[in-house]
Amino acid sequence: KAGVTQTPRYLIKTRGQQVTLSCSPISGHRSVSWYQQTPGQGLQFLFEYFSETQRNKGNFPGRFSGRQFSNSRSEMNVSTLELGDSALYLCASRTEGGTGELFFGEGSRLTVL
Amino acid sequence: AQSVTQLDSHVSVSEGTPVLLRCNYSSSYSPSLFWYVQHPNKGLQLLLKYTSAATLVKGINGFEAEFKKSETSFHLTKPSAHMSDAAEYFCVVSPFSGGYNKLIFGAGTRLAVHP
Repeated sequence: KAGVTQTPRYLIKTRGQQVTLSCSPISGHRSVSWYQQTPGQGLQFLFEYFSETQRNKGNFPGRFSGRQFSNSRSEMNVSTLELGDSALYLCASRTEGGTGELFFGEGSRLTVL
Repeated sequence: AQSVTQLDSHVSVSEGTPVLLRCNYSSSYSPSLFWYVQHPNKGLQLLLKYTSAATLVKGINGFEAEFKKSETSFHLTKPSAHMSDAAEYFCVVSPFSGGYNKLIFGAGTRLAVHP
């Protein structure tokens, strides 16, 4: 079974631009969540989607948004990029029920210049 | 409110010696607790999880952790370190009210293993 796939793996943007990151969950997983990882703040929860609906949201500004499609694939978008948005963005998926194990992708590393 | 404190930012051991990575948590509810490992330029992989069953939890690659409610601790151990264990380790708590996906991560412990 294929794991969580994130694209692109690496990207460089400049301040003010916007970026879209994509995540394909493990087949059969309907819950997708996103995390931001930076050296200063560590791992922080961005949001979670289930059945195309945002179910939980972390403490990030409105420039950070996401969506989920009917096939459970998810995208997150960051508009008006700032230098501080440089980070590793991790996507994770899981099945409903069970004990909450998340399966993580390898991440998309965003550099903002 | 829930929180996680990893007591050591860096731990260095020699290959073949025991590993101890310390984690204390704070939770208003009976928490679910996890240890994840992250190798360089990789995503996170689950090592083990505690979900109110047995207090001694065995995970992959010889790791185990013991849930001690009286000490609010969930320390990760391994009897004998291997070079491939060098990575960053995260202790994680799952808030009851926030759902399983809104995990709270500790700051991480970087484990170095020397020959």
